[in-house]
Amino acid sequence: AQSVSQHNHHVILSEAASLELGCNYSYGGTVNLFWYVQYPGQHLQLLLKYFSGDPLVKGIKGFEAEFIKSKFSFNLRKPSVQWSDTAEYFCAASGGSYIPTFGRGTSLIVHP
Amino acid sequence: DVKVTQSSRYLVKRTGEKVFLECVQDMDHENMFWYRQDPGLGLRLIYFSYDVKMKEKGDIPEGYSVSREKKERFSLILESASTNQTSMYLCASRPNGQGPSYEQYFGPGTRLTVT
Repeated sequence: AQSVSQHNHHVILSEAASLELGCNYSYGGTVNLFWYVQYPGQHLQLLLKYFSGDPLVKGIKGFEAEFIKSKFSFNLRKPSVQWSDTAEYFCAASGGSYIPTFGRGTSLIVHP
Repeated sequence: DVKVTQSSRYLVKRTGEKVFLECVQDMDHENMFWYRQDPGLGLRLIYFSYDVKMKEKGDIPEGYSVSREKKERFSLILESASTNQTSMYLCASRPNGQGPSYEQYFGPGTRLTVT
């Protein structure tokens, strides 16, 4: 079965620290990859997405993610986090059916 | 901007009640989805619809049904609410096709408590 794994369930950082959230997927063939973010009290919104082309994808608010096909990974990175990045982050993947499967989410807390 | 609205932000119902959760999108999207979000479990797909009157079961359809009579509206129905259906329910919509436009737009969620 298709699945998405997020390795870090809870991450606590201080402001200005670097962030990397892991995401692995188990799809064969073409895959579409997404990172969504849910700020406290707000609805899910798209951070970035990958369909094809450059495996390094840049998103909003300084986030980026790298698609590594050989590792089935799509890790999210930010070089310097801010208190306002405190949120829950979801990785999602879809294959030929275009129905995304979501990971379990990573809760990020950034201390000022 | 795409707007997905859900009828209630918070809802409290009693065990055995029939519950209707409504979702409306204003961008003429063909696809609509219902998820439930639980801590540590992420988003799990309950049902989706790719057209009016069309529906497909997701990963956890038991205890739920859906209705899509109009393109912009997708309803989730709990025929007889139970306490294990206490959760956050998220609606999403998405246009057909593939490419850069292919992303889901989410509503604000309905937090349902069944007592």
